[in-house]
Amino acid sequence: NAGVTQTPKFRVLKTGQSMTLLCAQDMNHEYMYWYRQDPGMGLRLIHYSVGEGTTAKGEVPDGYNVSRLKKQNFLLGLESAAPSQTSVYFCASRPTGGGDTQYFGPGTRLTVL
Amino acid sequence: AQKVTQAQTEISVVEKEDVTLDCVYETRDTTYYLFWYKQPPSGELVFLIRRNSFDEQNEISGRYSWNFQKSTSSFNFTITASQVVDSAVYFCAGLKAGAQKLVFGQGTRLTINP
Repeated sequence: NAGVTQTPKFRVLKTGQSMTLLCAQDMNHEYMYWYRQDPGMGLRLIHYSVGEGTTAKGEVPDGYNVSRLKKQNFLLGLESAAPSQTSVYFCASRPTGGGDTQYFGPGTRLTVL
Repeated sequence: AQKVTQAQTEISVVEKEDVTLDCVYETRDTTYYLFWYKQPPSGELVFLIRRNSFDEQNEISGRYSWNFQKSTSSFNFTITASQVVDSAVYFCAGLKAGAQKLVFGQGTRLTINP
């Protein structure tokens, strides 16, 4: 049982390049989330999904797109990376119970030059 | 709107001292959930505890204890007999019932010196 995994762990992009971050969970959780962590700002929600085939915007969605084609996977895409998207990205998942705990992946450190 | 305040940005203590991390959750909601996560130097986020707003019982788990007081909206975390391995950034977070967005505080960096 691996929990929540993220690929890749590190990435460096040039401004304007695109990439996709992959999140996978093996806990059969319905809900999945993408956060970004920036110094002094805690974690902020980018997008989330309440089930396969659904996505919704979070607090800071601009510049990102997501897809949830399979229940166990949640993809975060950057179509045209900008230096402001340099951050650590965390994926999380949780079951459907109200207030249930979100479990986080190990994070992806992205640098945009 | 909800807000999580962790007033202590950094704390440094000597090993074996007790240390308390403060958290205040501001909300108009009567039903909500509070969490503590630990982020060690390796970077992952480790879940420590969840508490719902209608349960004010204190909780103890080994050297860790949590005190929730609804009247002051505080959910404080105490480490007894601290150890170097407790060095990490600790985040408090709140979740309104029925909501998706976990609202995080800015974190408290705890350093335990040998």
